[in-house]
Amino acid sequence: DTAVSQTPKYLVTQMGNDKSIKCEQNLGHDTMYWYKQDSKKFLKIMFSYNNKELIINETVPNRFSPKSPDKAHLNLHINSLELGDSAVYFCASSQDRATDTQYFGPGTRLTVL
Amino acid sequence: AQKVTQAQTEISVVEKEDVTLDCVYETRDTTYYLFWYKQPPSGELVFLIRRNSFDEQNEISGRYSWNFQKSTSSFNFTITASQVVDSAVYFCALSEAGLGFKTIFGAGTRLFVKA
Repeated sequence: DTAVSQTPKYLVTQMGNDKSIKCEQNLGHDTMYWYKQDSKKFLKIMFSYNNKELIINETVPNRFSPKSPDKAHLNLHINSLELGDSAVYFCASSQDRATDTQYFGPGTRLTVL
Repeated sequence: AQKVTQAQTEISVVEKEDVTLDCVYETRDTTYYLFWYKQPPSGELVFLIRRNSFDEQNEISGRYSWNFQKSTSSFNFTITASQVVDSAVYFCALSEAGLGFKTIFGAGTRLFVKA
């Protein structure tokens, strides 16, 4: 059973389009995260949700909008995609706070043309 | 400010060599947690270890060992008798109790193990 899953695994799209990435965890965790990994492998937190409540928003452009319909799901919607949005996006979850171990999804490689 | 430094960008070793990956952190909190994650070429992020600031005991897990030294703010990772399958990017990370839901990752060290 996959603990943290993301769809799609690959996403290729044109500049200006809107796209969504879905994330689901079956670990019963209270907290979920979105990270962005750039081409140099640098991992940066974007958002964190605890019990469906937004806790962290790390100065991400407002074209990015996370949505957590329930504790097990955290989706990421991106409007008006730009070239610089090309990256790998990882979803993760932890029991509670970030001091707990985070378990990561397989990643979604987004390519904006 | 919270910071994690992995000064080694890339390391290349020959199979069966021992290799140590360095991690130096900065924090003002007395309660914090340190992590190591592995990212193999397939891309997923695999959890390796979590250590809290009150437990300075070194840890060994098979060929992997970790040396936590608060005096030098370091949490180094050693692979003994490296194997080709150890080739990956390794990330050190820090999370502070005071920051709640935020984890800072180091820039990663890419390890190449040649046969």
